Amino acid sequence: DAGVIQSPRHEVTEMGQEVTLRCKPISGHDYLFWYRQTMMRGLELLIYFNNNVPIDDSGMPEDRFSAKMPNASFSTLKIQPSEPRDSAVYFCATITGASTDTQYFGPGTRLTVL
Amino acid sequence: AQSVAQPEDQVNVAEGNPLTVKCTYSVSGNPYLFWYVQYPNRGLQFLLKYITGDNLVKGSYGFEAEFNKSQTSFHLKKPSALVSDSALYFCAVRDKTGRRALTFGSGTRLQVQP
Repeated sequence: DAGVIQSPRHEVTEMGQEVTLRCKPISGHDYLFWYRQTMMRGLELLIYFNNNVPIDDSGMPEDRFSAKMPNASFSTLKIQPSEPRDSAVYFCATITGASTDTQYFGPGTRLTVL
Repeated sequence: AQSVAQPEDQVNVAEGNPLTVKCTYSVSGNPYLFWYVQYPNRGLQFLLKYITGDNLVKGSYGFEAEFNKSQTSFHLKKPSALVSDSALYFCAVRDKTGRRALTFGSGTRLQVQP
């Protein structure tokens, strides 16, 4: 298995632009997590899904952020409009519900908003 | 609410010496505890976990951790450090309820000097 796949690996955009980050989970993993990592705040959980349904979005910072999981093989995290304070590394991680929760992380997307 | 504390931002150790990276946690009930490692520009990689049973857990790359319920600690250890162990280490916790999200500590940077 290729592991968790994230794209793009790097994104540089200007303030006000829409940004879409993508994640492909490991096949058969039915939980998907989106995290954000910054120097100031460390690793924060933004939202997680189970069987494509959002379970907890309490970590989503504001309405500019939205996440979807239209099917078991794909999830997106969208920021519209983007702001410089959104600059961070965004990670996707997945688990299978039958496991004891070892999360498998993707390589991350480094977002820079100018 | 659950939380994790990693009291040291950085740990410095000489190659060949034993290393300890500290972690304490707070959670309702019995915990699941994890250690992850992050190398530069990479996602988090699973090292080891405590679910139940033996308090001493052995993981990847010669690392081990000891669960201490009375001290609510889960310190990461290795008998002999390698320069290649230099990385960022995260402790994480979740409770044994249905909520599957992990809470991560702030991370400890391990620097192993030759």
